[in-house]
Amino acid sequence: DTAVSQTPKYLVTQMGNDKSIKCEQNLGHDTMYWYKQDSKKFLKIMFSYNNKELIINETVPNRFSPKSPDKAHLNLHINSLELGDSAVYFCASSQALGQTYEQYFGPGTRLTVT
Amino acid sequence: QQPVQSPQAVILREGEDAVINCSSSKALYSVHWYRQKHGEAPVFLMILLKGGEQKGHDKISASFNEKKQQSSLYLTASQLSYSGTYFCGTDSTDSWGKLQFGAGTQVVVTP
Repeated sequence: DTAVSQTPKYLVTQMGNDKSIKCEQNLGHDTMYWYKQDSKKFLKIMFSYNNKELIINETVPNRFSPKSPDKAHLNLHINSLELGDSAVYFCASSQALGQTYEQYFGPGTRLTVT
Repeated sequence: QQPVQSPQAVILREGEDAVINCSSSKALYSVHWYRQKHGEAPVFLMILLKGGEQKGHDKISASFNEKKQQSSLYLTASQLSYSGTYFCGTDSTDSWGKLQFGAGTQVVVTP
């Protein structure tokens, strides 16, 4: 069983389009995250949710909007895609919010904006 | 603020040892270590908490010096499976629960 899954795995789209990435975890964790990994491999946190509540919202353009319908799901919607949005987006989850919990990462979604 | 990792890359022969360092300008509560193989997701290795403990995972161990705000990851008797990019993630005392990752250290283990 996949612990943290994401769909789609690859996403190729044109500038200006709107797209969504879905994430689901079956670990029973309370906390979920979105990370962006750019071409230089920098892994940067974007958002985190704890029990469906937004906890961390880094300096991310308003075009990015996360939604957590329940604590097992965290989706990311991106409006008006730009070339600079091309990256690998990872969803992750942890048992709870805090500094002592390991994070489990999904397989990633490679977004290419042309 | 992101921690600084060194070296950027290291090439080892099987059986050799290596050390990867991670340092932060902020007071830390914990340091996490992850390994990412090419095209895959980062995988958790270990967490070190304030208190300076040392941890081990197979022949990979780590230490955390909270006074110096530094952590080191030790790869002992490296195996081919150790190849990948190692990231430290730091959780500072003023940003609870938010991991800041370093730029990564690429490790290549050759036969």
